[in-house]
Amino acid sequence: DQQVKQNSPSLSVQEGRISILNCDYTNSMFDYFLWYKKYPAEGPTFLISISSIKDKNEDGRFTVFLNKSAKHLSLHIVPSQPGDSAVYFCAASGSGTYKYIFGTGTRLKVLA
Amino acid sequence: GAGVSQSPRYKVAKRGQDVALRCDPISGHVSLFWYQQALGQGPEFLTYFQNEAQLDKSGLPSDRFFAERPEGSVSTLKIQRTQQEDSAVYLCASSPGLAGGTDTQYFGPGTRLTVL
Repeated sequence: DQQVKQNSPSLSVQEGRISILNCDYTNSMFDYFLWYKKYPAEGPTFLISISSIKDKNEDGRFTVFLNKSAKHLSLHIVPSQPGDSAVYFCAASGSGTYKYIFGTGTRLKVLA
Repeated sequence: GAGVSQSPRYKVAKRGQDVALRCDPISGHVSLFWYQQALGQGPEFLTYFQNEAQLDKSGLPSDRFFAERPEGSVSTLKIQRTQQEDSAVYLCASSPGLAGGTDTQYFGPGTRLTVL
């Protein structure tokens, strides 16, 4: 049973436009969510996180939105740059736990 | 470098061989994790150490998998009698404090294991 789902395996966006990556989860006990970016042959790199007490967190060009009632979060990248081309993983964890549950990833391609 | 390092980066093993994968966490990090990432999937939790204590090994797929962190820093993941289904990228991550809450995990580059 996939507790964290990224239903779009891939996404292509023009440089300068907004990229929106989506993630859905099923476990209502999750209260901390993260996005990681992964380049080929490298490990996942932490990008941004959000606690369930918030509905938005922003860091430069990256904003994560959390909709708890819909059990949905999204990552917005504005403006998108070619260097943002990578696989993006959504991850979640529950209160007092340490295991990250990852989605299957979305491959973002930003076209110059 | 100050990041998590792993060695070897690539390992090819014949079915039935034993392998050992090494992880050097960020210096001073208390918590260390191992994950397995199969092709086209996200990382899946294998085991967790707090200093030298292995507090959770619930994700280890079988008793052929064994992990240790004897001095609370470097960790080794050992797979005995490797099988083809063990082929995956093995990721190590560390975090500064006691895991849980909002302590971010920092990942190494992974070891790609291919079992022939």
